[in-house]
Amino acid sequence: SYVLTQPPSVSVAPGQTAKITCGGKNIGSKSVHWYQQKPGQAPVLVVHDDSDRPSGIPERFSGSNSENTATLTISRVEAGDEADYYCQVWDSSSDQYVFGSGTTVTVL
Amino acid sequence: EVQLVESGGGLVKPGGSLRLSCAASGFTFSDYGINWVRQAPGKGLEWVSSISSSSGFIYFADSVKGRFTISRDNAKNSVYLQMNSLRAEDTALYYCARASGSVAGRYWGQGTLVTVSS
Repeated sequence: SYVLTQPPSVSVAPGQTAKITCGGKNIGSKSVHWYQQKPGQAPVLVVHDDSDRPSGIPERFSGSNSENTATLTISRVEAGDEADYYCQVWDSSSDQYVFGSGTTVTVL
Repeated sequence: EVQLVESGGGLVKPGGSLRLSCAASGFTFSDYGINWVRQAPGKGLEWVSSISSSSGFIYFADSVKGRFTISRDNAKNSVYLQMNSLRAEDTALYYCARASGSVAGRYWGQGTLVTVSS
């Protein structure tokens, strides 16, 4: 089955840029979606189809996807961005949704 | 406003059964697929099952295949997850989520907790 690999944690100072990677075999050929989950809350979609933002999501959240790595970039990080972030794809070869293992973003 | 409300969770013994429900409102329910996604305590998100808008396509994660079934009633704006032969590793918060293309969850409920323990 398809595997998505994320770093367990990323630390960033306020105002700086956080980059969260999501690795997968030829992931550039798939549409990648990103979710933010704060403690005790349901996940929230922050980027879909590699780089599109749902309405209400700040422009500080952006995404890219190429070859074997997709990346979620959070610019001008704020304390409120502290959360777990998950990437997700649809694996058509197995007819299954696949989530990455998640990355905890800590704002220093 | 899109709303998804899960119910039916609880404490069940290993080998037992439980039926989860997901009640939807705020959108044309029969136009969308619905997913169940679970999260074990302190762990990440795990997709469990999907049902398409007209029930024509149904999928399961390998970890629950043969034990769980999924169904929907478009007249009642509801989706159901029947869970049989439950195991300790099925213990998790179960979310229902509205799908959108390859997006597993454009909108999410708040989840219902399933605990499998003797």
